Amino acid sequence: SYELTQPPSVSVSPGQTARITCSGDALPKQYAYWYQQKPGQAPVLVIYKDSERPSGIPERFSGSSSGTTVTLTISGVQAEDEADYYCQSADSSGTYQFGGGTKLTVL
Amino acid sequence: QVTLKESGPVLVKPTETLTLTCTVSGFSLSNARMGVSWIRQPPGKALEWLAHIFSNDEKSYSTSLKSRLTISKDTSKSQVVLTMTNMDPVDTATYYCARQTRYYDSSGYYYLFDYWGQGTLVTVSS
Repeated sequence: SYELTQPPSVSVSPGQTARITCSGDALPKQYAYWYQQKPGQAPVLVIYKDSERPSGIPERFSGSSSGTTVTLTISGVQAEDEADYYCQSADSSGTYQFGGGTKLTVL
Repeated sequence: QVTLKESGPVLVKPTETLTLTCTVSGFSLSNARMGVSWIRQPPGKALEWLAHIFSNDEKSYSTSLKSRLTISKDTSKSQVVLTMTNMDPVDTATYYCARQTRYYDSSGYYYLFDYWGQGTLVTVSS
């Protein structure tokens, strides 16, 4: 297995853009996924296949990939976006990894 | 409507075996594109994938916990069961089951954790 590294925290003011990164050696070969988790709730998928957005997820959520780093971007951050965000990927042996999580604070 | 619900003991003692059940509805465990994973989260910490099972009984386990885990399913009851042996206080966590849906594109197969249960908190303490 391998590690996915995220910053512990990111802070932005409402209306600004938040960028959360996730780094891992296998990311050039494997898709990345992003989950939003609010306190006391189960995670919710917000981005899959690096940059695809599931139905029902606001357009302000987007994803991108470059080399060993993937980035979740939230444009025009709203108070309701305050949550923990986890990246996730897989390895070639059919196991899955989550990053350490990033707490997004909306100031 | 797809739902998953975890059930099992709230409290287990060290060295005991934990048995958790995930009961699903809104999809069938015999669907070739769908499986169920178990994922846990210690209080205040990150998510950790544990195991998955698919309709053809394909199973996979976390490398670090493989020796302690067993996953199985009863398609007729729409249930997936996870057992974890030799429980320790560090295994205290919320345990989630999640549906995995398999897709295929030019890069090969990929999987989404697209629906999650509410989670069940298991505390390990004597």
